[in-house]
Amino acid sequence: DAGVTQSPTHLIKTRGQQVTLRCSPKSGHDTVSWYQQALGQGPQFIFQYYEEEERQRGNFPDRFSGHQFPNYSSELNVNALLLGDSALYLCASSLNRGLSPLHFGNGTRLTVT
Amino acid sequence: AQTVTQSQPEMSVQEAETVTLSCTYDTSESDYYLFWYKQPPSRQMILVIRQEAYKQQNATENRFSVNFQKAAKSFSLKISDSQLGDAAMYFCAYGWNYGGATNKLIFGTGTLLAVQP
Repeated sequence: DAGVTQSPTHLIKTRGQQVTLRCSPKSGHDTVSWYQQALGQGPQFIFQYYEEEERQRGNFPDRFSGHQFPNYSSELNVNALLLGDSALYLCASSLNRGLSPLHFGNGTRLTVT
Repeated sequence: AQTVTQSQPEMSVQEAETVTLSCTYDTSESDYYLFWYKQPPSRQMILVIRQEAYKQQNATENRFSVNFQKAAKSFSLKISDSQLGDAAMYFCAYGWNYGGATNKLIFGTGTLLAVQP
């Protein structure tokens, strides 16, 4: 049973560019959340997708957008990259049922130069 | 606003000994959940233990147990018989259902646990 998979593992981009990160949820899960983890910090909630719609957003600018596909996989897009966007981006999947446990992927390490 | 505070940036424990990691939180909600996650160098966040706020009994999972003090808004993690594989960053997290989003978590800044052989 595959867990949450994220791609790519590492990514280096230049300031001003755009990036797309991908996530496949754990089998059977229908909800995907994205978190940003800056170096030395705890993860911060970016947004959550369920039934292909953004359900809740954290305190992140509109440069951060996402999408969920019918097979529940998800993408995180970041436009006009800033140096401060350098971080580990974690995807977590869960069931849309109460507080079902979050299952995290190994993350994508994004470096903006 | 909900906040989670971990005041111990680093902790160290001898193998086979016991260590306690501290966490405090702030919330005006009455129905919420608390979690401890472990993040080894592999970067994957692994759920260690969870506690429902409405339950008075402290959660336990094998060598891991919590001391949940709801009135004091304190949620500490005790690791007994520490093993080398316990070395990792540990995050305390607060979760609740908000604005339709399930499992929206607020994380603390983490405690880096070293286990000495």
